[in-house]
Amino acid sequence: EAEVAQSPRYKITEKSQAVAFWCDPISGHATLYWYRQILGQGPELLVQFQDESVVDDSQLPKDRFSAERLKGVDSTLKIQPAELGDSAMYLCASSLRGGYGYTFGSGTRLTVV
Amino acid sequence: QQQVKQSPQSLIVQKGGIPIINCAYENTAFDYFPWYQQFPGKGPALLIAIRPDVSEKKEGRFTISFNKSAKQFSLHIMDSQPGDSATYFCAPSLDTDKLIFGTGTRLQVFP
Repeated sequence: EAEVAQSPRYKITEKSQAVAFWCDPISGHATLYWYRQILGQGPELLVQFQDESVVDDSQLPKDRFSAERLKGVDSTLKIQPAELGDSAMYLCASSLRGGYGYTFGSGTRLTVV
Repeated sequence: QQQVKQSPQSLIVQKGGIPIINCAYENTAFDYFPWYQQFPGKGPALLIAIRPDVSEKKEGRFTISFNKSAKQFSLHIMDSQPGDSATYFCAPSLDTDKLIFGTGTRLQVFP
């Protein structure tokens, strides 16, 4: 069964350091999403890509977060500098156009100390 | 997330029981109403979904009931099993695309 791959699975970083997460969507999925899930809450959309273009980054804290999907395949989410409040699960999802086949990866658990 | 309210926050049932989880939304433009299941350390996985043109959908032991006028939909799990113990999220959306997740319901099913 096709999966969305994410790495690393866990990341511990110190406050003010830079951190990056990687996502490889299901082959052929044009749409890629990054979500943040704070412990005990539902996921919240940070950014949505259609191929290599950003279609929605309205909830992305752009002063410290950046996301790219240069060739329209895999994607990187970066935080610089990390803050204590950034501790959360970062989930990547992908889908075909129109949202069909929406599939989440297992996420990266970030702890900022 | 304030657009979507989910209840209860947690639920404990015995094996064979029928837990019911409710979701209330505000945006009348939503046209896709899914429920997701999430196990610890995993991403959410689609469980069952409904479109607003039907009032009920059943897939195996899982049923969605949809009340458009009340802006609510619910998940029923028939003959619940310990393996159903997980966190459940409603996530209504526009065009199947931008999911707006509820706050989650933690279900525990005891043998």
